[in-house]
Amino acid sequence: EAGVAQSPRYKIIEKRQSVAFWCNPISGHATLYWYQQILGQGPKLLIQFQNNGVVDDSQLPKDRFSAERLKGVDSTLKIQPAKLEDSAVYLCASSSIRGSETYNEQFFGPGTRLTVL
Amino acid sequence: QKEVEQNSGPLSVPEGAIASLNCTYSDRGSQSFFWYRQYSGKSPELIMSIYSNGDKEDGRFTAQLNKASQYVSLLIRDSQPSDSATYLCAVRGRGSTLGRLYFGRGTQLTVWP
Repeated sequence: EAGVAQSPRYKIIEKRQSVAFWCNPISGHATLYWYQQILGQGPKLLIQFQNNGVVDDSQLPKDRFSAERLKGVDSTLKIQPAKLEDSAVYLCASSSIRGSETYNEQFFGPGTRLTVL
Repeated sequence: QKEVEQNSGPLSVPEGAIASLNCTYSDRGSQSFFWYRQYSGKSPELIMSIYSNGDKEDGRFTAQLNKASQYVSLLIRDSQPSDSATYLCAVRGRGSTLGRLYFGRGTQLTVWP
């Protein structure tokens, strides 16, 4: 079974530029998550999709971050304009829906390392 | 804001020893707990999940959960140099944040030969 795919793996941009990240979840996984991991910290959820609907975006800085999952499969996360503090690894994860959500495990992709100069 | 606390370490143990990693959480009603391993420059890899009080064993790994004390731990028996990594404790949210995992900052483990 193929894992979560992400691209690009690395991105370097100047502040105020825009950037987009792509994620393809594990086949059949209805739930997709974007996390931000700043160096030395644990991942922090930015947004959660179930199929193509947003379930939780309460920690997404909506003035500069946006995300979509139009066909309920792959997803794009965009930052516009980027700030220095957005330098981090952006992780995509997915989980299946089986029984209670309480027990569903999340599996992470390789991540995109963003450096904002 | 739910909190997950881990000893930041670093924790250093000799090869063959037992490594003990600890985690406490603030939400008494939490039901689902996970341990992820993260090698330097890599993404988190799920190694254990636990939902009920007590111990859960998988190979050299044992997760322990005590909901009354709001405490979850990970024991690694017969530690190997390949176990050297950062171990992240994660707790699933409840209610409107059911899908969200709250992570600790991680404990860096070094196993020396």
